[in-house]
Amino acid sequence: DTGVSQNPRHKITKRGQNVTFRCDPISEHNRLYWYRQTLGQGPEFLTYFQNEAQLEKSRLLSDRFSAERPKGSFSTLEIQRTEQGDSAMYLCASSPGQGGTMNTEAFFGQGTRLTVV
Amino acid sequence: QKEVEQDPGPLSVPEGAIVSLNCTYSNSAFQYFMWYRQYSRKGPELLMYTYSSGNKEDGRFTAQVDKSSKYISLFIRDSQPSDSATYLCAMSWGAQKLVFGQGTRLTINP
Repeated sequence: DTGVSQNPRHKITKRGQNVTFRCDPISEHNRLYWYRQTLGQGPEFLTYFQNEAQLEKSRLLSDRFSAERPKGSFSTLEIQRTEQGDSAMYLCASSPGQGGTMNTEAFFGQGTRLTVV
Repeated sequence: QKEVEQDPGPLSVPEGAIVSLNCTYSNSAFQYFMWYRQYSRKGPELLMYTYSSGNKEDGRFTAQVDKSSKYISLFIRDSQPSDSATYLCAMSWGAQKLVFGQGTRLTINP
């Protein structure tokens, strides 16, 4: 296992189209996070999962955004009816997050760069 | 006011210099403090991870946390051109989301 894997690396889509991104976390990492990063800014939290349960969603995550983590393994992030303002780097991270520990070391993937035209 | 403040720079120093990067924060509940390095068009790479106050050293990198002042620092000794990147501070209060600073863009000149 070489780390967090995200696909695709780049996506160009027309405004109004739906897009879906995939994240494969580090094996045995229970926690999975999605962040969004725009140019010149730090990553902003979108949502996170503990196994298959989605435990928190940011107010940034409008109803056009949905994330899933079936079976507590890989995760998908879908954006419906994309807008130009959705253009950003979408980052996935995972951490051990074992019960009873406070291990918050989060490891990031390379991101999916979305461009909405 | 943002929860985490970080000067975006850019910061440019000569090779071999000691670099000091800093963040301030407002939420006293933060317990975990991290520094990430991010190269252009890549994901953030975890550099240092510190719990609560104190210092932590790893090779040329030293992280300091002063919770009384709500201030964290990253020092890079003997800086190299390969250290040129954006450095992001991040913090959390438990095994939940990270709150990031804006990132400081650093250039090390040969």
